[in-house]
Amino acid sequence: SQTIHQWPATLVQPVGSPLSLECTVEGTSNPNLYWYRQAAGRGLQLLFYSVGIGQISSEVPQNLSASRPQDRQFILSSKKLLLSDSGFYLCAWVAGGPWDEQFFGPGTRLTVL
Amino acid sequence: KNQVEQSPQSLIILEGKNCTLQCNYTVSPFSNLRWYKQDTGRGPVSLTIMTFSENTKSNGRYTATLDADTKQSSLHITASQLSDSASYICVVTHSGTYKYIFGTGTRLKVLA
Repeated sequence: SQTIHQWPATLVQPVGSPLSLECTVEGTSNPNLYWYRQAAGRGLQLLFYSVGIGQISSEVPQNLSASRPQDRQFILSSKKLLLSDSGFYLCAWVAGGPWDEQFFGPGTRLTVL
Repeated sequence: KNQVEQSPQSLIILEGKNCTLQCNYTVSPFSNLRWYKQDTGRGPVSLTIMTFSENTKSNGRYTATLDADTKQSSLHITASQLSDSASYICVVTHSGTYKYIFGTGTRLKVLA
């Protein structure tokens, strides 16, 4: 069966510090991968998606970046965090096309102080 | 503009009561519509999925309806339980792309 992992589960970082969030998927190959951010009381905002290794599409301009060094690994990074980067970050995967279900990871709660 | 709007924003009901959540969308072309349940601090979990040719889909006490002509969907919860307390998110897939358009969700609180 397929599983998706995210770490860390929670993170408290000072403004201006770097960030690295990791997402890995098991039990599937060549998934489409997504990074979302959910601010308190708001809907999910798509940040990045990837249809293959090294292929990253950005949905919104920001100080975040994403990378996909391996087929089932998706990393969200920042060189300098802003207060506005606080939120709940979710990674998701889809096996094939948009008719397939998105499976979400457990999320990372990021607080920037 | 492709958008998904949900109402109400929040809802409080007593245990055992029924409730209906609404979702209106302007996404075109449309592929499918999903309802997700998101417990606090957790990732969303799919409840139902419907394509444009389906009018209703059930999953236990959850029943979703879809009117593709008016671009409206509803999620009906029967005999609510305390564990139904969560956010319910409507997601519409834009056909031909890998983009999922999310609503802002309805926060449901079930009281004993």
